[in-house]
Amino acid sequence: EIVLTQSPATLSLSPGERATLSCRASQSVSSYLAWYQQKPGQAPRLLIYDASNRATGIPARFSGSGSGTDFTLTISSLEPEDFASYYCHQRSNWPLTFGGGTKVEIK
Amino acid sequence: QITLKESGPTLVKPTQTLTLTCTFTGISLSNRAVGVGWIRQPPGKALEWLAFIYWDDEKHYSPSLQSRLTITKDASKNQVVLTMANMEPVDTATFYCAHRRSSGNFDYWGRGTLVTVSS
Repeated sequence: EIVLTQSPATLSLSPGERATLSCRASQSVSSYLAWYQQKPGQAPRLLIYDASNRATGIPARFSGSGSGTDFTLTISSLEPEDFASYYCHQRSNWPLTFGGGTKVEIK
Repeated sequence: QITLKESGPTLVKPTQTLTLTCTFTGISLSNRAVGVGWIRQPPGKALEWLAFIYWDDEKHYSPSLQSRLTITKDASKNQVVLTMANMEPVDTATFYCAHRRSSGNFDYWGRGTLVTVSS
């Protein structure tokens, strides 16, 4: 089973700041990594797929990078609606796995 | 428009079997490459993938829960059913179903249903 480790667990930032979230895989997942955003009481929303592709309707301030075992989600300038939890997810191998999440909170 | 909706009991007793139904519109499990999966999330915790079924009845399960899970589909009813045996209080979670194509990611999700395990 591929374990995804996200860091940090919590990120305290102010609106307008840049957010950098990390996801590390226990073995290579090639580029088969996605990022999801989840707000309280809501289902996750697909942001980034295949490491660097924005899903439909996702603003350009969200970007993803990486391949193999190290991946990054960057939010270039935080908007109020971006304060949420973020999860990485790999589809390279069964079983599918999710990371433990990073909560981006208002400083 | 693709929509998914989970339904089932909100409260189950320990040792009981949970049965959840995912009813969807805008997709067909008779179509090649279409699949539906289940993911759960205990309160305040991370997402955990549980099971997945493809249009051709290929199935995958989380290894840690495989002995307790069964996933089935009824393409004619546009439904996928998940059963989870021997429920325990630690299984209390919001259960989501989600659509995924064979070369894609979970792109459409239901709103989730909270299942509490308590006597």
